[in-house]
Amino acid sequence: ELKVEQNPLFLSMQEGKNYTIYCNYSTTSDRLYWYRQDPGKSLESLFVLLSNGAVKQEGRLMASLDTKARLSTLHITAAVHDLSATYFCAVDIAETSGSRLTFGEGTQLTVNP
Amino acid sequence: GAVVSQHPSWVICKSGTSVKIECRSLDFQATTMFWYRQFPKQSLMLMATSNEGSKATYEQGVEKDKFLINHASLTLSTLTVTSAHPEDSSFYICSAQTGAYQETQYFGPGTRLLVL
Repeated sequence: ELKVEQNPLFLSMQEGKNYTIYCNYSTTSDRLYWYRQDPGKSLESLFVLLSNGAVKQEGRLMASLDTKARLSTLHITAAVHDLSATYFCAVDIAETSGSRLTFGEGTQLTVNP
Repeated sequence: GAVVSQHPSWVICKSGTSVKIECRSLDFQATTMFWYRQFPKQSLMLMATSNEGSKATYEQGVEKDKFLINHASLTLSTLTVTSAHPEDSSFYICSAQTGAYQETQYFGPGTRLLVL
């Protein structure tokens, strides 16, 4: 059974600081996604990482993927309050019946002024 | 492009009644649709996968007779929670995929269900 683990689960940080969220998964995967969820809302797609060594950046967020280590990171640079949200990674396991996403537990990020 | 809608956005019902939630792909044809459930402060859990014109595939532990899924067209899937009980109260999110190999899933805005 595929397991996807994120850490930390809760992160409180000050504006202007840097931090990294980690996503470990237990089996081979071809795709890894990062999503953002605001309270009471659905998911907003941030990044899709397709291959080993993939790195993508958007604003203050940068995601990377190491398929050999089965690890993805979401790095936050110079955090601002607007980044406060819950961040999920999700791993796509290709099955004969199609794709299937398994989500991590989520990291609740609070950025304090 | 790639917009998925859900209706209703929230619903309150009495215990024992049935509730239908619709998921529509507005600007693309969705061969595959997925239904997720999210309890407060928890992650998303896949309930079932539905392919247009065929029976849904349910995840282990999800009662197929309680959560009826119909995917009758390439733009519409419905989830009916039958004989709803308070423990079914949750945030239900659908996603849609064109069906191409490992194509990105596009998520709907979610439906919040409260069963009294």
